[in-house]
Amino acid sequence: AQRVTQPEKLLSVFKGAPVELKCNYSYSGSPELFWYVQYSRQRLQLLLRHISRESIKGFTADLNKGETSFHLKKPFAQEEDSAMYYCALGRSGGGADGLTFGKGTHLIIQP
Amino acid sequence: NAGVTQTPKFRILKIGQSMTLQCAQDMNHNYMYWYRQDPGMGLKLIYYSVGAGITDKGEVPNGYNVSRSTTEDFPLRLELAAPSQTSVYFCASSYSGTAYEQYFGPGTRLTVT
Repeated sequence: AQRVTQPEKLLSVFKGAPVELKCNYSYSGSPELFWYVQYSRQRLQLLLRHISRESIKGFTADLNKGETSFHLKKPFAQEEDSAMYYCALGRSGGGADGLTFGKGTHLIIQP
Repeated sequence: NAGVTQTPKFRILKIGQSMTLQCAQDMNHNYMYWYRQDPGMGLKLIYYSVGAGITDKGEVPNGYNVSRSTTEDFPLRLELAAPSQTSVYFCASSYSGTAYEQYFGPGTRLTVT
């Protein structure tokens, strides 16, 4: 069975400090990995996915298959980054059976 | 484009009652999903559909039913509501399979008492 673990329920950092939100996964195949974000009073939306290898809003995430991790990083946190962040795993091969989500990390950026 | 819409936003049900959660999308996506999110937990897949007339069970389908008669609509039916079904329900759609971005609705907060 596939599983996603986000060990931090809450992460509080000061503005301008680096941020790292941890995500570890368990899956026997080759995973599709995503970070979704939910800002206050907004709906859940895609932040980035590993296959595109891009930086969105200054965030990056690298898939480390050896450590089965997909940590989300940003070098300098901004107050508007405060939100709930969910790591999600999908099966490779374009299957349609939905995503497996972690429990989420509430990121608070203090001024 | 409205994207993915869900109704109602909130609902309180008594044990044993039934209801249908509505979900619609105007992006012409073939793939649609229903998730539930319990407090402090991640989203869990209830049912999904890859096109009109085709549905399949997800991780937690018990107590729910779905239908997909059109590309746009994917209603979720709760029969004989139980307190364990108290949750926030999210509908999502995507252009294609899991590797593609999923677009989420605003959610329906359901309480069963």
